[in-house]
Amino acid sequence: EAGVAQSPRYKIIEKRQSVAFWCNPISGHATLYWYQQILGQGPKLLIQFQNNGVVDDSQLPKDRFSAERLKGVDSTLKIQPAKLEDSAVYLCASSLDLGSTEKLFFGSGTQLSVL
Amino acid sequence: SQQGEEDPQALSIQEGENATMNCSYKTSINNLQWYRQNSGRGLVHLILIRSNEREKHSGRLRVTLDTSKKSSSLLITASRAADTASYFCATVHITGNTPLVFGKGTRLSVIA
Repeated sequence: EAGVAQSPRYKIIEKRQSVAFWCNPISGHATLYWYQQILGQGPKLLIQFQNNGVVDDSQLPKDRFSAERLKGVDSTLKIQPAKLEDSAVYLCASSLDLGSTEKLFFGSGTQLSVL
Repeated sequence: SQQGEEDPQALSIQEGENATMNCSYKTSINNLQWYRQNSGRGLVHLILIRSNEREKHSGRLRVTLDTSKKSSSLLITASRAADTASYFCATVHITGNTPLVFGKGTRLSVIA
């Protein structure tokens, strides 16, 4: 089966610019996650969707970050305006459903450098 | 804030040796999962252990869980160069209603 697809693979922008990341989860997976992984650290959840509804966005910096999953499939994550501390890998993951024992399938991520 | 703390932060061993990584966490859990991340790639699920389980095996992997000490260990036996990666533990809160919370990871280097 095809895995989680993410694009672009790399992005370099200057601070105060905007950027968008795209994710296509595994077909049939209802739950989609965006994680931020700063170099040398573990992934930190930004937002979790169940179909096209938001389940958890408590750690999303809503003044600059936004995400949507309009049709319950693809998702985009946007940063506007970007700050230097947003430099990180942005990982998208999906799981079949919301259950506590669901395992997550990750994409390869988008590496963002903010100069 | 991150739930798990892996120990050691980095580990370097010879091929064929065993590698042991530890994870400590803070709150009561529903389950604990281990993931592997190769350089520049996404994370891959390795194994899940529920809070009522004490030990689980999968191929060369052995995971233990001690809920009284809030700790888990991942043992990789007969390591190979291909096992070189970062390993993360991740926990689900006992309510089961929260998404996975990851630790900072252990970077394992297996030298051929």
